[in-house]
Amino acid sequence: QSALTQPASVSGSPGQSITISCTGTSSDVGSYNLVSWYQHHPGKAPKLMIFEVSKWPSGVSNRFSGSKSGNTASLTISGLQAEDEADYYCCSYAGSSTVLFGGGTKVTVL
Amino acid sequence: QVQLQQWGAGLLKPSEALSLTCAVYGGSFSDYSWTWIRQTPEKGLEWIGEINHSGSTNYNPSLKSRVAISVDTSKNQFSLRLRSVTAADTAVYYCARGQRGYYYLDLWGRGALVTVSS
Repeated sequence: QSALTQPASVSGSPGQSITISCTGTSSDVGSYNLVSWYQHHPGKAPKLMIFEVSKWPSGVSNRFSGSKSGNTASLTISGLQAEDEADYYCCSYAGSSTVLFGGGTKVTVL
Repeated sequence: QVQLQQWGAGLLKPSEALSLTCAVYGGSFSDYSWTWIRQTPEKGLEWIGEINHSGSTNYNPSLKSRVAISVDTSKNQFSLRLRSVTAADTAVYYCARGQRGYYYLDLWGRGALVTVSS
């Protein structure tokens, strides 16, 4: 099992939209609608932002949205804000009761 | 409000065993899976494994030979043991609550740094 592939960094200006990709294989992302996304500010606990590809947990802004096409899932942040600057990780069920994370993407608000 | 509080030794020597415990305060213990994850600068987040209240476990295949997760339902606690550690096991270790069958983690502990150094 290899980690899911994410870009190392993505940046955008306040108010803009950015998209983070998460590429897996037909054995994980492509086979299951069990992709989740986590926001991580260093020194804090990671926070669930999206689950089951596109669902929002209670309390998470709808500026965050998720989607999937084939073996690639995506997280889009609309109306980028300074507080969105953080690391973002995707995660997918990979079969046989195992889970894979992506390598993480650092989002910078310019 | 449900909280996860974790503790364990923070400095280990190579070949020793890592041991961490996570306590769940508030909420149901039996309705969820209880998960360990670690983070390194090189790999980012890595799923270690999970356990449910009845003791059924699933592990990352790359760690399976060295890892054991156990549960103490009388105390609403679950524990991680990783034996024969090396410098590569130096990481921040998190415990988290998982939604059974859906494999997402909706509540995380604050994390604990474990350093392996001679």
